[in-house]
Amino acid sequence: GAGVSQTPSNKVTEKGKYVELRCDPISGHTALYWYRQSLGQGPEFLIYFQGTGAADDSGLPNDRFFAVRPEGSVSTLKIQRTERGDSAVYLCASSSTRDSYEQYFGPGTRLTVT
Amino acid sequence: QQPVQSPQAVILREGEDAVINCSSSKALYSVHWYRQKHGEAPVFLMILLKGGEQKGHDKISASFNEKKQQSSLYLTASQLSYSGTYFCGTDSGGSNYKLTFGKGTLLTVNP
Repeated sequence: GAGVSQTPSNKVTEKGKYVELRCDPISGHTALYWYRQSLGQGPEFLIYFQGTGAADDSGLPNDRFFAVRPEGSVSTLKIQRTERGDSAVYLCASSSTRDSYEQYFGPGTRLTVT
Repeated sequence: QQPVQSPQAVILREGEDAVINCSSSKALYSVHWYRQKHGEAPVFLMILLKGGEQKGHDKISASFNEKKQQSSLYLTASQLSYSGTYFCGTDSGGSNYKLTFGKGTLLTVNP
């Protein structure tokens, strides 16, 4: 079956611009997670959705970062006034329920801020 | 705080065994192990829960010492497909989703 998909796969933007990163979770998965992975590091938790609501956004680094999941399926991570330090691979993962520990990751979006 | 993984890298010949360790300074509810091949998404291997429960793939084994806040992943009779970076993710808050990942251990299996 189809896995988690993320678009675009690569995004290059100028400092100060706004970007949106999209995640399509596995169909039927109610839990969705966003992570950020810098070179040589493990994924860093950003936000967790259960259904349409952000159940835990404590990992978002500042108020330039925002994520939505309006219909409980597709999610969009939005970054305003991008900075060079935002450059990283942004990973999305989903799991079937809140209590399903296995997270299925997407291939990521590589964001480069110039 | 980020868990510490050791070793940082290991090179094996096919058929050899390896142990990857993960150590945390915080009390842990669970430890999650993932493998990531270069340029690909992390893939779930195993979760070890406080109290002894484990869930994961049959060919992978691991241990969790709650008192020492440590976990070890055991890779036996390694295959070429085992190559990749192994990450442990720790949960100190009981959520089982808000994971703090280590920096990873790069495993290379050669023929």
